[in-house]
Amino acid sequence: GQQVMQIPQYQHVQEGEDFTTYCNSSTTLSNIQWYKQRPGGHPVFLIQLVKSGEVKKQKRLTFQFGEAKKNSSLHITATQTTDVGTYFCALDESNFGNEKLTFGTGTRLTIIP
Amino acid sequence: DAGITQSPRYKITETGRQVTLMCHQTWSHSYMFWYRQDLGHGLRLIYYSAAADITDKGEVSDGYVVSRSKTENFPLTLESATRSQTSVYFCASSKRRGKGEYGYTFGSGTRLTVV
Repeated sequence: GQQVMQIPQYQHVQEGEDFTTYCNSSTTLSNIQWYKQRPGGHPVFLIQLVKSGEVKKQKRLTFQFGEAKKNSSLHITATQTTDVGTYFCALDESNFGNEKLTFGTGTRLTIIP
Repeated sequence: DAGITQSPRYKITETGRQVTLMCHQTWSHSYMFWYRQDLGHGLRLIYYSAAADITDKGEVSDGYVVSRSKTENFPLTLESATRSQTSVYFCASSKRRGKGEYGYTFGSGTRLTVV
Protein backbone atom coordinates (compact mmCIF):
# COMPACT_ATOMS: atom_id res chain seq x y z
CA GLY A 1 0.00 0.00 0.00
CA GLN A 2 1.01 3.59 -0.42
CA GLN A 3 2.58 5.69 2.29
CA VAL A 4 0.24 8.58 2.98
CA MET A 5 1.92 11.77 4.04
CA GLN A 6 0.14 14.43 5.97
CA ILE A 7 1.59 17.85 6.43
CA PRO A 8 2.53 19.29 8.75
CA GLN A 9 3.54 16.50 11.12
CA TYR A 10 3.19 18.83 14.12
CA GLN A 11 1.45 22.17 14.58
CA HIS A 12 1.52 24.42 17.62
CA VAL A 13 -0.94 27.30 17.57
CA GLN A 14 -2.16 29.96 19.93
CA GLU A 15 -5.73 29.46 21.02
CA GLY A 16 -7.95 31.33 18.58
CA GLU A 17 -5.66 30.87 15.59
CA ASP A 18 -6.62 28.79 12.59
CA PHE A 19 -5.18 25.38 11.74
CA THR A 20 -4.97 23.39 8.52
CA THR A 21 -3.69 19.91 7.76
CA TYR A 22 -3.22 18.46 4.29
CA CYS A 23 -3.36 14.91 3.02
CA ASN A 24 -2.01 13.76 -0.35
CA SER A 25 -2.45 10.51 -2.23
CA SER A 26 -0.53 9.17 -5.19
CA THR A 27 -3.67 7.51 -6.54
CA THR A 28 -7.25 8.58 -7.24
CA LEU A 29 -9.47 7.78 -4.30
CA SER A 30 -12.95 6.37 -3.93
CA ASN A 31 -13.39 8.49 -0.84
CA ILE A 32 -11.42 9.91 2.05
CA GLN A 33 -12.19 9.91 5.75
CA TRP A 34 -10.93 12.02 8.63
CA TYR A 35 -10.38 10.92 12.22
CA LYS A 36 -9.40 12.65 15.45
CA GLN A 37 -7.46 11.04 18.26
CA ARG A 38 -7.22 12.80 21.61
CA PRO A 39 -4.04 12.23 23.66
CA GLY A 40 -4.28 8.79 25.25
CA GLY A 41 -7.47 8.01 23.36
CA HIS A 42 -8.58 6.15 20.29
CA PRO A 43 -9.29 7.48 16.79
CA VAL A 44 -12.81 8.80 16.32
CA PHE A 45 -14.45 9.09 12.91
CA LEU A 46 -15.21 12.69 11.92
CA ILE A 47 -16.39 12.67 8.30
CA GLN A 48 -16.32 11.00 4.91
CA LEU A 49 -15.85 12.86 1.62
CA VAL A 50 -16.93 11.16 -1.59
CA LYS A 51 -17.47 13.65 -4.41
CA SER A 52 -14.85 15.51 -6.37
CA GLY A 53 -14.47 19.04 -5.00
CA GLU A 54 -16.74 18.30 -2.05
CA VAL A 55 -16.72 20.67 0.92
CA LYS A 56 -18.32 19.76 4.23
CA LYS A 57 -18.53 21.73 7.46
CA GLN A 58 -18.91 20.69 11.06
CA LYS A 59 -19.12 23.82 13.19
CA ARG A 60 -15.57 25.25 13.08
CA LEU A 61 -14.18 22.37 10.99
CA THR A 62 -14.15 22.54 7.18
CA PHE A 63 -13.22 19.51 5.10
CA GLN A 64 -12.36 19.63 1.41
CA PHE A 65 -11.82 16.93 -1.19
CA GLY A 66 -9.71 17.87 -4.19
CA GLU A 67 -11.12 18.06 -7.70
CA ALA A 68 -8.93 15.16 -8.82
CA LYS A 69 -9.84 13.15 -5.67
CA LYS A 70 -6.17 12.83 -4.77
CA ASN A 71 -5.90 15.27 -1.89
CA SER A 72 -7.87 16.65 1.00
CA SER A 73 -7.62 19.23 3.74
CA LEU A 74 -9.05 19.86 7.18
CA HIS A 75 -9.28 23.45 8.38
CA ILE A 76 -10.18 24.49 11.92
CA THR A 77 -11.22 28.10 12.47
CA ALA A 78 -10.44 29.79 15.78
CA THR A 79 -8.96 26.78 17.55
CA GLN A 80 -9.98 25.91 21.10
CA THR A 81 -8.24 23.74 23.69
CA THR A 82 -10.75 20.99 22.92
CA ASP A 83 -9.24 20.70 19.43
CA VAL A 84 -6.01 19.24 20.82
CA GLY A 85 -5.16 15.87 19.35
CA THR A 86 -3.88 14.10 16.26
CA TYR A 87 -5.86 14.33 13.04
CA PHE A 88 -5.61 11.46 10.58
CA CYS A 89 -6.82 11.18 7.03
CA ALA A 90 -7.70 7.70 5.81
CA LEU A 91 -7.70 6.76 2.16
CA ASP A 92 -10.18 4.43 0.54
CA GLU A 93 -8.85 3.01 -2.71
CA SER A 94 -11.71 0.54 -3.12
CA ASN A 95 -12.05 1.37 -6.81
CA PHE A 96 -8.91 -0.68 -7.25
CA GLY A 97 -10.26 -3.71 -5.38
CA ASN A 98 -8.79 -2.68 -2.05
CA GLU A 99 -11.32 -2.84 0.78
CA LYS A 100 -9.12 -1.39 3.45
CA LEU A 101 -8.40 2.12 4.63
CA THR A 102 -4.85 3.37 4.60
CA PHE A 103 -4.23 5.90 7.34
CA GLY A 104 -2.05 8.92 6.97
CA THR A 105 0.82 9.65 9.32
CA GLY A 106 -1.27 12.21 11.20
CA THR A 107 -0.88 15.84 12.24
CA ARG A 108 -0.52 16.47 15.94
CA LEU A 109 -2.13 19.73 17.03
CA THR A 110 -1.22 21.39 20.28
CA ILE A 111 -2.85 24.59 21.54
CA ILE A 112 -1.10 27.28 23.53
CA PRO A 113 -3.71 28.84 25.83
CA ASP B 1 -17.86 3.64 22.37
CA ALA B 2 -19.58 0.92 24.38
CA GLY B 3 -20.33 -1.13 21.24
CA ILE B 4 -16.75 -2.28 20.67
CA THR B 5 -14.65 -3.47 23.56
CA GLN B 6 -11.05 -4.59 23.76
CA SER B 7 -9.42 -6.57 26.51
CA PRO B 8 -7.16 -6.37 28.30
CA ARG B 9 -6.45 -2.61 28.37
CA TYR B 10 -2.87 -3.22 29.47
CA LYS B 11 -0.70 -6.31 29.15
CA ILE B 12 2.91 -7.08 29.98
CA THR B 13 4.29 -10.31 28.63
CA GLU B 14 7.65 -11.96 28.19
CA THR B 15 9.47 -12.55 24.93
CA GLY B 16 8.46 -15.86 23.38
CA ARG B 17 5.10 -16.14 25.07
CA GLN B 18 1.84 -16.43 23.21
CA VAL B 19 -0.66 -13.69 23.96
CA THR B 20 -4.19 -13.07 22.70
CA LEU B 21 -5.89 -9.70 22.49
CA MET B 22 -9.66 -9.77 22.45
CA CYS B 23 -12.09 -7.64 20.49
CA HIS B 24 -15.89 -7.77 20.69
CA GLN B 25 -18.48 -5.64 18.89
CA THR B 26 -22.23 -5.56 19.40
CA TRP B 27 -23.38 -3.95 16.13
CA SER B 28 -23.05 -7.00 13.84
CA HIS B 29 -20.72 -4.96 11.64
CA SER B 30 -19.39 -6.98 8.72
CA TYR B 31 -15.86 -5.60 8.76
CA MET B 32 -13.38 -5.81 11.58
CA PHE B 33 -9.76 -4.69 11.68
CA TRP B 34 -6.65 -4.81 13.82
CA TYR B 35 -4.18 -1.93 13.74
CA ARG B 36 -1.05 -1.21 15.67
CA GLN B 37 0.03 2.31 16.49
CA ASP B 38 3.66 3.24 17.02
CA LEU B 39 5.31 6.63 17.23
CA GLY B 40 6.33 7.79 13.78
CA HIS B 41 4.30 5.13 11.98
CA GLY B 42 0.72 6.14 12.52
CA LEU B 43 -1.82 3.32 12.27
CA ARG B 44 -0.69 0.20 10.43
CA LEU B 45 -3.06 -2.58 9.46
CA ILE B 46 -2.27 -6.03 10.81
CA TYR B 47 -5.29 -8.07 9.70
CA TYR B 48 -8.83 -7.48 8.60
CA SER B 49 -11.98 -9.49 8.15
CA ALA B 50 -14.88 -8.89 5.78
CA ALA B 51 -17.19 -11.39 7.50
CA ALA B 52 -17.12 -14.45 9.74
CA ASP B 53 -14.52 -16.97 8.55
CA ILE B 54 -13.05 -14.48 6.04
CA THR B 55 -9.75 -12.87 7.01
CA ASP B 56 -6.89 -11.30 5.12
CA LYS B 57 -3.45 -9.94 5.88
CA GLY B 58 -2.56 -6.30 6.19
CA GLU B 59 0.83 -4.66 5.78
CA VAL B 60 2.37 -5.88 9.07
CA SER B 61 0.89 -9.35 9.60
CA ASP B 62 4.08 -11.34 10.29
CA GLY B 63 4.01 -12.89 13.77
CA TYR B 64 0.25 -12.44 14.19
CA VAL B 65 -2.70 -14.76 13.75
CA VAL B 66 -6.43 -13.96 13.74
CA SER B 67 -9.67 -15.88 13.67
CA ARG B 68 -13.30 -14.90 13.23
CA SER B 69 -15.62 -17.78 13.96
CA LYS B 70 -18.39 -15.38 15.03
CA THR B 71 -19.27 -12.00 13.54
CA GLU B 72 -18.89 -10.21 16.87
CA ASN B 73 -15.46 -11.47 17.91
CA PHE B 74 -12.08 -10.93 16.29
CA PRO B 75 -9.19 -12.04 18.53
CA LEU B 76 -5.58 -11.27 17.64
CA THR B 77 -2.86 -13.70 18.74
CA LEU B 78 0.84 -13.05 18.91
CA GLU B 79 2.26 -16.51 18.44
CA SER B 80 5.65 -15.84 20.04
CA ALA B 81 5.89 -12.27 21.30
CA THR B 82 8.93 -10.17 20.43
CA ARG B 83 10.02 -6.78 21.78
CA SER B 84 9.26 -5.21 18.39
CA GLN B 85 5.60 -6.06 18.99
CA THR B 86 5.45 -3.66 21.92
CA SER B 87 2.77 -1.26 20.75
CA VAL B 88 -0.77 0.00 21.19
CA TYR B 89 -3.23 -2.26 19.41
CA PHE B 90 -6.58 -0.99 18.18
CA CYS B 91 -9.49 -3.05 17.00
CA ALA B 92 -12.08 -1.41 14.74
CA SER B 93 -15.30 -2.32 13.00
CA SER B 94 -17.37 -0.86 10.17
CA LYS B 95 -20.54 -1.45 8.21
CA ARG B 96 -20.51 -3.11 4.81
CA ARG B 97 -19.84 -0.73 1.94
CA GLY B 98 -22.91 0.75 0.35
CA LYS B 99 -24.67 1.29 3.66
CA GLY B 100 -24.15 5.04 3.75
CA GLU B 101 -21.12 6.33 5.61
CA TYR B 102 -18.95 3.54 6.89
CA GLY B 103 -16.38 5.16 9.08
CA TYR B 104 -14.51 2.89 11.42
CA THR B 105 -15.43 2.68 15.09
CA PHE B 106 -12.38 1.97 17.20
CA GLY B 107 -12.06 0.25 20.52
CA SER B 108 -10.18 1.87 23.39
CA GLY B 109 -6.99 -0.03 22.60
CA THR B 110 -4.67 -2.48 24.31
CA ARG B 111 -1.26 -1.28 25.38
CA LEU B 112 1.06 -4.28 25.07
CA THR B 113 4.59 -4.36 26.45
CA VAL B 114 6.91 -7.25 25.63
CA VAL B 115 9.85 -7.55 28.01
